[in-house]
Order: sequence, then structure tokens, then C-alpha cells
Amino acid sequence: GIQVEQSPPDLILQEGANSTLRCNFSDSVNNLQWFHQNPWGQLINLFYIPSGTKQNGRLSATTVATERYSLLYISSSQTTDSGVYFCAARRDTGNQFYFGTGTSLTVIP
Amino acid sequence: SAVISQKPSRDICQRGTSLTIQCQVDSQVTMMFWYRQQPGQSLTLIATANQGSEATYESGFVIDKFPISRPNLTFSTLTVSNMSPEDSSIYLCSVEVYFGSVAGKNTEAFFGQGTRLTVV
Repeated sequence: GIQVEQSPPDLILQEGANSTLRCNFSDSVNNLQWFHQNPWGQLINLFYIPSGTKQNGRLSATTVATERYSLLYISSSQTTDSGVYFCAARRDTGNQFYFGTGTSLTVIP
Repeated sequence: SAVISQKPSRDICQRGTSLTIQCQVDSQVTMMFWYRQQPGQSLTLIATANQGSEATYESGFVIDKFPISRPNLTFSTLTVSNMSPEDSSIYLCSVEVYFGSVAGKNTEAFFGQGTRLTVV
């Protein structure tokens, strides 16, 4: 399967600060997604981004497929951004999704 | 996108009993996926459920412990059987939605709200 590694494992930010989360994957992929898991356990889709750059409000993501990594940027962080951020990758349609170990983010007021 | 309703959202169960988790999708999907997330861990795929055929289980998961039903294209259930405290986890169902012009190439995964199971 695909090895998916995320860094840092834990992150504590002051409200208003910016951060970058990284996801490295071991093989070429046709699907890479970022998720936010809220304190209740729900996984919320942030980005579908097998390559290129996307932005959604204060969040943006960039995947450099040739170098097998993806970055999630959080700007002007808010307490509601707290939770665990997962990236997940899949080699091909119909194959298994492989999840990274997650980055646990705590934003303090 | 897809809207997935999963229930129960949480439960506390006695060891030795079984719990059935339901997953309802607002559109027809070919495959539904069941994941387990143990405390503080990442998500692990339990099985893939296709309508009209037996579910495909990943290594370490067996049908006797995690029987799955898939009676139609919008619904699936996962049963956690003969539970022990080690089964305490979040269980999530997931579907993939096709989009884009290249057939079969672009799919995005969506997840239900999860079922937080505690076994005592």
C-alpha cells in the first residue's frame, strides 16, 4: 500500500497565527484529500487535490505530485480550527484509501 | 457531493453483545466503505461493501466479527459482534462520488458522522 506520513503530529497555535501542515506519500496517486476531524469525530472534507493548488477562505492546499507531497495552509487560525487534520491518498480508483496519522491542532484564544 | 446519515452517533455497550450501525446515502453509489478509528489513531479500512455481493474484508478483519449487509445502492449496515473493550472505536462509513469528464478517474470520498462506540 501507500505510506502516508504527516507532520507535525501536534501543533499548538495562538489564535490569529498561520500554519502549514505537510503530507508525504510514497507512491503516485490519483486522489489525495484533506479532512478535518472535529471533536465529535466527524470527518469534514476540506480539499480534493491530487495536484495543483486550491483555496477556500482561510485554507489553501498545494500538492506537488511529482515530489509526492501536499501542504495544507491555515491562515489567521481560529479556535474552531482545532481538531485533527488527516490527509488520505489512493493510487487508483477502486483501490483503498490510505490515511496519514494526522496532525492534532489546538488553537488557543 | 454526498450526504451520509449514520446512526447511532454513539453507544455504550456491554461486552459480549452486538451493535449494528446503519449508513444511509442520499444517492445511489456502487461501493460503500467501513472504517475503524481506534482511540488516538488514524482510520483503518475494515471492508468494502458492494451491492449484491459479499463484502471484501481487509487483512485483520473477518466476516464473523464484522458482518456487513448491503441490500441496495443507498444503504449498508456494519455489525460489531461479540464486543470486547478492544472494539471501542469510532466507526465510519464512506462513499465515493464520481465527477469530471474522465470516466472513472475522478472520485471524492465523503464520510458519515461516525459512530462512537464504547464497550464496557
